[in-house]
Amino acid sequence: AQKITQTQPGMFVQEKEAVTLDCTYDTSDQSYGLFWYKQPSSGEMIFLIYQGSYDEQNATEGRYSLNFQKARKSANLVISASQLGDSAMYFCAMREAYNYGQNFVFGPGTRLSVLP
Amino acid sequence: EAGVAQSPRYKIIEKRQSVAFWCNPISGHATLYWYQQILGQGPKLLIQFQNNGVVDDSQLPKDRFSAERLKGVDSTLKIQPAKLEDSAVYLCASSLRRDRNEKLFFGSGTQLSVL
Repeated sequence: AQKITQTQPGMFVQEKEAVTLDCTYDTSDQSYGLFWYKQPSSGEMIFLIYQGSYDEQNATEGRYSLNFQKARKSANLVISASQLGDSAMYFCAMREAYNYGQNFVFGPGTRLSVLP
Repeated sequence: EAGVAQSPRYKIIEKRQSVAFWCNPISGHATLYWYQQILGQGPKLLIQFQNNGVVDDSQLPKDRFSAERLKGVDSTLKIQPAKLEDSAVYLCASSLRRDRNEKLFFGSGTQLSVL
């Protein structure tokens, strides 16, 4: 079964507007971490933001925030004031504390295109 | 601090040939991961090392893929013989520990084309 689901293969957003990228996950662990990475066309994987399963506050990093709804097992990424440089693939990932096997798994990604 | 080093950056081979990729993680990072990323898809975990031991290789096609991490530092991933469907970017990543809050640091990847 898919551990990470990203239901939006592609998204468009107008420059300076906010956009939400969806991510749902599946785990039976109580202790886990959720991560978002950005992959521009150059191919590098850039870490954006982290949310721990025990964190009560939603994580924020500059223009990035994570809308964490634990009961729904969702960890959506919100990008405020989109910029042209935000055009890239975005991957949601999960790390389970007690899963010694598939310890850091990624979703299929969402391609974000920012329109001028 | 030096990042994760990978080489070569690009490799083109014919099917049935062999190829090897090299990765040097960030100094002191105990965990090392190899991912395969097919164009347009998310990274798929192939193998995970903790120091020089294999933690998980359940997704590694062991009939053709092999990997090692001697002395718990750098690692090599080998494909022998290569198939057309092995065309992908091979990403190496490392983290200090396997704790739930430890992010992965990635190398620039090796783009493999199998003709």
